[in-house]
Amino acid sequence: DTGVSQNPRHKITKRGQNVTFRCDPISEHNRLYWYRQTLGQGPEFLTYFQNEAQLEKSRLLSDRFSAERPKGSFSTLEIQRTEQGDSAMYLCASSLAITTNEKLFFGSGTQLSVL
Amino acid sequence: AQTVTQSQPEMSVQEAETVTLSCTYDTSESNYYLFWYKQPPSRQMILVIRQEAYKQQNATENRFSVNFQKAAKSFSLKISDSQLGDTAMYFCAFMNLGGGGGSNYKLTFGKGTLLTVNP
Repeated sequence: DTGVSQNPRHKITKRGQNVTFRCDPISEHNRLYWYRQTLGQGPEFLTYFQNEAQLEKSRLLSDRFSAERPKGSFSTLEIQRTEQGDSAMYLCASSLAITTNEKLFFGSGTQLSVL
Repeated sequence: AQTVTQSQPEMSVQEAETVTLSCTYDTSESNYYLFWYKQPPSRQMILVIRQEAYKQQNATENRFSVNFQKAAKSFSLKISDSQLGDTAMYFCAFMNLGGGGGSNYKLTFGKGTLLTVNP
């Protein structure tokens, strides 16, 4: 068990560019979540997958955001035409879907800065 | 929709003493979990403790324990024998487990309490 891995740790981009983040969950975890956190706030839910199916997407999520989990293992989060307001920490979490033992384990996050 | 409120933006405690962090939540669901997560300066989110709503007994994990008052929708975290390494942001979070038609299996977080343990 190597934990949830996120890459890159930091990303600096110019406004209007596209960026993609990767998340590798704990092996055998079938649920994968993406959250966004700005300084001084709690994490805000973006979307989650069970296996390869995207089960829920936040209504706050712009059409510029898209997430995939093609084989039910790793996931990518892409932001198109980045804006300064997209600057935040993007957190990935995973869990094993057993209703008697629901616990989310988080990665270290990807810090995005849009200039 | 569920909401989680942490009314204490910041708290401080002396090393070796006890501190209690408050959390209230609002939900119409009956089947849910509550969590406390810790986020140190490294920003790695670490699970501290979990409480199942159907259990009356309060959860404990070593120096961490909760006071779960279901009727009052209150879920406080007590840290005993505080250590310098406990300095962090603490987030209370809610997870609906389904059956009530609401959104399931995702965490809804409060805004956090910054705890500083002083030597």
